[in-house]
Amino acid sequence: EVQLVESGGGSVQPGRSLRLSCTGSGFTFGDYAMSWFRQAPGKGLEWVAFIRSKAYGESTEYAASVKGRFTISRDDSKTIAYLQMNSLKTEDTALYYCTRVKATRGDYYGMDVWGQGTTVTVSS
Amino acid sequence: DIQMTQSPSSVSASVGDRVTITCRASQRISNWLAWYQQKPKKAPKLLIYAASSLQSGVPSRFSGSGSGTDFTLTISSLQPEDFATYYCQQPNSFPLTFGGGTKLEIK
Repeated sequence: EVQLVESGGGSVQPGRSLRLSCTGSGFTFGDYAMSWFRQAPGKGLEWVAFIRSKAYGESTEYAASVKGRFTISRDDSKTIAYLQMNSLKTEDTALYYCTRVKATRGDYYGMDVWGQGTTVTVSS
Repeated sequence: DIQMTQSPSSVSASVGDRVTITCRASQRISNWLAWYQQKPKKAPKLLIYAASSLQSGVPSRFSGSGSGTDFTLTISSLQPEDFATYYCQQPNSFPLTFGGGTKLEIK
């Protein structure tokens, strides 16, 4: 079964850091781009970060709201994608989803596998 | 950034009805458009990609159409399990962006 499982969420104070992990199984993890999204309570979906596969240099993209504070990375040997979140703000409070990207030759069609999400709460 | 605008924001319908949701992009995106379904307390699920291609395992009552800036998601005959929130997304140009969502409720 193709699966993504997030972990690492929790409650932190503003300005602190947190690292989310996303463990993939049931597919060749290294062949896929991966992406993180978030959803604040009662709100819509927001893209956060994106990392291409090794074949595309593991290059990354970030939403403007997190650029310079968050870092996406991957360890294909462990089939894990990470989201390092520094200088957290109250507005980062959300349910964070890890996704697998449906792609062909560098074109992206959507997110075809989603994890169950991990909750991040930033509050003093 | 490409803005995605969905309408309506909510719609009430009955089992067996035909429902259409629209999504408009602020600039031309060819057919780079995906549709997702999200049920309460659940992760989104990819329904349609490339504007009109049905994701594996998705019932054929779901269909998508459009190109350029205007897109539609149609559910041909609503089933009880279809009551959910639907999002469009442009997945191929950064920053990736979503429409605001359409909540489909039981009439």
